[in-house]
Amino acid sequence: DVKVTQSSRYLVKRTGEKVFLECVQDMDHENMFWYRQDPGLGLRLIYFSYDVKMKEKGDIPEGYSVSREKKERFSLILESASTNQTSMYLCASSLSIGAGGNIQYFGAGTRLSVL
Amino acid sequence: AQTVTQSQPEMSVQEAETVTLSCTYDTSENNYYLFWYKQPPSRQMILVIRQEAYKQQNATENRFSVNFQKAAKSFSLKISDSQLGDTAMYFCAFMKLYDNYGQNFVFGPGTRLSVLP
Repeated sequence: DVKVTQSSRYLVKRTGEKVFLECVQDMDHENMFWYRQDPGLGLRLIYFSYDVKMKEKGDIPEGYSVSREKKERFSLILESASTNQTSMYLCASSLSIGAGGNIQYFGAGTRLSVL
Repeated sequence: AQTVTQSQPEMSVQEAETVTLSCTYDTSENNYYLFWYKQPPSRQMILVIRQEAYKQQNATENRFSVNFQKAAKSFSLKISDSQLGDTAMYFCAFMKLYDNYGQNFVFGPGTRLSVLP
C-alpha cells in the first residue's frame, strides 16, 4: 500500500512564526501536492511538484512556499504564519500521468492553529 | 474552469440501509475522470471509486456504485448495506484526462455522512 506520512497531526503556532509542514511518501511517486481543507470549500491546491526541485503554484499559493529536495519528501513552508492560515493541510502524491497514474494518495493531514 | 458541486452538506442513514450522495460538475471537456474519496473522522482520505468518462458502464466496488450520467454531468454515489464504518466526509472530484501532472484535480465541498446504529 502507498503510504503518505505527514510529520505532525496537530500544530499550534504563533502569528509571525515560520512553520514547516513535512510530507514523505514511500512509493516513488513523481507528483506531490499540498492542499488546504476548509469546511464548505473542499480541498484547494496550494502547490504541487512533478519532480525534484520542480514546483508549480496551485490555486492559493499566497503566503506559502514549498521545497522538494528529494523525491520522497515535499515540505510546505509558511514564511510568517497568520491567523487566516489556521486550517487542515493535506499532502498527496501520485504517479506521473505517463505512468498511468491519476489516483492521488493522501496523508492523514496536519491541523494547524495559528494564534 | 471545472467546478464540482455537492448539494448535500450533511446526510444520515440507518445502518444496513442504502444512501445516495449527489455530485454534479461543470466542464467543457469530453474525456475526464471522476472520483469519490472518503475521509473518515481523524483518518486519511482514501479513494472509494473511480469512473472514466469514456466508459459507459458504471463503476462498482463492492457495496459502492456510481450512477454516471455524462449528458447531465451527474455522478452520484450509492452506498448499499451501510455500515458504521462508512461514517465519513465524502468528496467528489474531477480530473481532466490529459492533465499533465494531476494538478487540476477539482474537489467538491464534501458531504458529511453519518451512519446511525
